[in-house]
Amino acid sequence: KQEVTQIPAALSVPEGENLVLNCSFTDSAIYNLQWFRQDPGKGLTSLLLIQSSQREQTSGRLNASLDKSSGRSTLYIAASQPGDSATYLCAVIKAAGNKLTFGGGTRVLVKP
Amino acid sequence: NAGVMQNPRHLVRRRGQEARLRCSPMKGHSHVYWYRQLPEEGLKFMVYLQKENIIDESGMPKERFSAEFPKEGPSILRIQQVVRGDSAAYFCASSPGQDEKLFFGSGTQLSVL
Repeated sequence: KQEVTQIPAALSVPEGENLVLNCSFTDSAIYNLQWFRQDPGKGLTSLLLIQSSQREQTSGRLNASLDKSSGRSTLYIAASQPGDSATYLCAVIKAAGNKLTFGGGTRVLVKP
Repeated sequence: NAGVMQNPRHLVRRRGQEARLRCSPMKGHSHVYWYRQLPEEGLKFMVYLQKENIIDESGMPKERFSAEFPKEGPSILRIQQVVRGDSAAYFCASSPGQDEKLFFGSGTQLSVL
């Protein structure tokens, strides 16, 4: 059974600092991995999707890496801003069908 | 192109009543997924539907819960005889194809008194 873990559960940094969020999964046979952002009382916004054959994806200040063999993904957010404060969720798909297994999330606070 | 629309945003029910949660996928999306987020827990998959068909309902409780996605109209998640443990945020997501990026709605917060 796939288990997804995100450490730390919460993170507080001053504005401008780079953020590093970790995600690990127990079954390396994944189809793809997605990073989402969730704001309080709102839905999820997809940030990056990495296919199992890829090693990283980039979008603006965001970069996500994937190491399937070690069961890890890392989300980097450069030059953090207060608007980056949210919960970040990592999710993996084992096979075609979009049945996501989510981690517990990392709650990020960027202080001005 | 409007995003995934869920209604109501908040739903309050008394124990034993029925709850109906609606989800209109993004235009052009024929794949719908329902997830549940219990208090202090992560998001858990419930059911995956494609127009008029249930593809995977392995995450759905066997009793009291049902889902449909008719040819016309929104997808409906129905919970009969609700209990306090059903209180949670229910999220719907849609995608244009089976293996494409998911787009989530804002969720329905169900509170059972």
